[in-house]
Amino acid sequence: SQQGEEDPQALSIQEGENATMNCSYKTSINNLQWYRQNSGRGLVHLILIRSNEREKHSGRLRVTLDTSKKSSSLLITASRAADTASYFCATDDNYGQNFVFGPGTRLSVLP
Amino acid sequence: DVKVTQSSRYLVKRTGEKVFLECVQDMDHENMFWYRQDPGLGLRLIYFSYDVKMKEKGDIPEGYSVSREKKERFSLILESASTNQTSMYLCASASGAFSNYGYTFGSGTRLTVV
Repeated sequence: SQQGEEDPQALSIQEGENATMNCSYKTSINNLQWYRQNSGRGLVHLILIRSNEREKHSGRLRVTLDTSKKSSSLLITASRAADTASYFCATDDNYGQNFVFGPGTRLSVLP
Repeated sequence: DVKVTQSSRYLVKRTGEKVFLECVQDMDHENMFWYRQDPGLGLRLIYFSYDVKMKEKGDIPEGYSVSREKKERFSLILESASTNQTSMYLCASASGAFSNYGYTFGSGTRLTVV
């Protein structure tokens, strides 16, 4: 099954800086989602972008999708210590039934 | 607020034991999922269910079974626990149009098999 791959694996920034994480996938998709996971907890859905959309915003989050490059990026602006978490992209699988998750990017925001 | 509840946050079991992990959702969602999460491997789908009494194998079903007798409850069963099943287990649910709305996850159960 296809899988999104996040890049980088880990990212450390200072509070107030912007954080950018990327996701690449292999085959055509209908939707791509981003999730956040705080240490030892479940995943929280952040944003969903459809294949016919190029950009989407939600508060300090900005997601872009480039279907020609099979890639997406998640930008967190003006980061806070509370943004420290792992971030995952998920793409629908080849059968359009389930979402497949990448290994995630660990973001550390230092005060 | 919508919720997916997993019965235990931490669980320690012995090798060979039969283990039940319970998941309950209060959103009347048709779809429910069990994942395991291991460092460096991300989330891997074990089983999923689109309706009561229905189940489908995911990517790594070996050593596991599931039960969905009621719409709100999806149980994961480790028939004979082994140390390589030590992991974080995550339950999720989603509406029928989940490709448009995404999953709601529980807080996870960290299982240790000794």
